[in-house]
Amino acid sequence: QKEVEQDPGPLSVPEGAIVSLNCTYSNSAFQYFMWYRQYSRKGPELLMYTYSSGNKEDGRFTAQVDKSSKYISLFIRDSQPSDSATYLCAMSQGAQKLVFGQGTRLTINP
Amino acid sequence: GAVVSQHPSWVICKSGTSVKIECRSLDFQATTMFWYRQFPKQSLMLMATSNEGSKATYEQGVEKDKFLINHASLTLSTLTVTSAHPEDSSFYICSAKTGYNEQFFGPGTRLTVL
Repeated sequence: QKEVEQDPGPLSVPEGAIVSLNCTYSNSAFQYFMWYRQYSRKGPELLMYTYSSGNKEDGRFTAQVDKSSKYISLFIRDSQPSDSATYLCAMSQGAQKLVFGQGTRLTINP
Repeated sequence: GAVVSQHPSWVICKSGTSVKIECRSLDFQATTMFWYRQFPKQSLMLMATSNEGSKATYEQGVEKDKFLINHASLTLSTLTVTSAHPEDSSFYICSAKTGYNEQFFGPGTRLTVL
């Protein structure tokens, strides 16, 4: 079993839809949770950064962390074609290295 | 967010030659930088952790004599692929960690070995 599980998709939704991306993990010591967006042939871009449990909102993006269930989510509201990318969840234990999910390929159709 | 640059963005070299890739944190100091490798449609694979002023820590299975890492300053880490072979062709990405434990990635370097 992988330490971090993420559905690789692909996921295809119409423009304007609400997108829900999820990851589960097995290591209860993870404290820092991140979501990255990666366009083809580019480096990952940090979208959301959360410490411990709770919600965080930034514009159209909302990140949720439920440590009791070992489950994190990223919601994208009013999705746009420019949101089409691969989304990677990542987490770490203190200052340790990041552990990544497999990435979910998302396509927003105009 | 913080900015990390990589140079070059794309390099083609002949088999047997060495290639150096630079990673710079432009607006913050990074005591720790990371080097990743990514194959098409796959997630990032951590190769090594680079700490300023000390030896890099390599992940299991990564040849430290082949992938030389130097972190000479708080804003610069370099990865040298020595005696490159076609199987080393890949997308190499660095990241730098801030004092708040956030990790920002560079744009990546595409290496093609002929």
